[in-house]
Amino acid sequence: DAKTTQPPSMDCAEGRAANLPCNHSTISGNEYVYWYRQIHSQGPQYIIHGLKNNETNEMASLIITEDRKSSTLILPHATLRDTAVYYCIASSGGGADGLTFGKGTHLIIQP
Amino acid sequence: GAVVSQHPSRVICKSGTSVKIECRSLDFQATTMFWYRQFPKQSLMLMATSNEGSKATYEQGVEKDKFLINHASLTLSTLTVTSAHPEDSSFYICSASEGVIYNEQFFGPGTRLTVL
Repeated sequence: DAKTTQPPSMDCAEGRAANLPCNHSTISGNEYVYWYRQIHSQGPQYIIHGLKNNETNEMASLIITEDRKSSTLILPHATLRDTAVYYCIASSGGGADGLTFGKGTHLIIQP
Repeated sequence: GAVVSQHPSRVICKSGTSVKIECRSLDFQATTMFWYRQFPKQSLMLMATSNEGSKATYEQGVEKDKFLINHASLTLSTLTVTSAHPEDSSFYICSASEGVIYNEQFFGPGTRLTVL
């Protein structure tokens, strides 16, 4: 899995969009970008994943740059329940291989 | 998303005893299940990968005789920590997938093991 780099922490006001960046400059062509989050003392929760195109689901949007060297996870209207550690993972294995978790970004939503 | 359960959610045991943790996929067939461990203030570390009906593949540094993994059905995997010691105290988390590359994994809620 390619190495990913994320800021260790970020703050966002409740109701605003939270934009979480991730750098994966050595990503290879067959690696997808996955985002998971972990709320304190719980198992990680899958958010979204993508290869080249931008993706959107009911939880978030994923914007991947054209050169695929970085991406941004967007939570459109952050709530206090979105406070968690967010992990960006580049993986070619997806559901077939174990994931390599970095330190992630601790997102704190402020009331 | 799909639902994965773990049982028990918390367990406290004495040093030297064995503990079994169950991981179940409730609404899909999990061809592949993974076991992770997370120490306080650290990230998740993959311990092993198990495919239904096959022997588990362990990550480097994980003792297969100490952490016994069984994946006997498409909905159940178990992790047994044998002869547990205080240093095995950790948060154990399983995940499950349909085993398809480029698909997501679904994680259980985790099991907090405390060895006295």
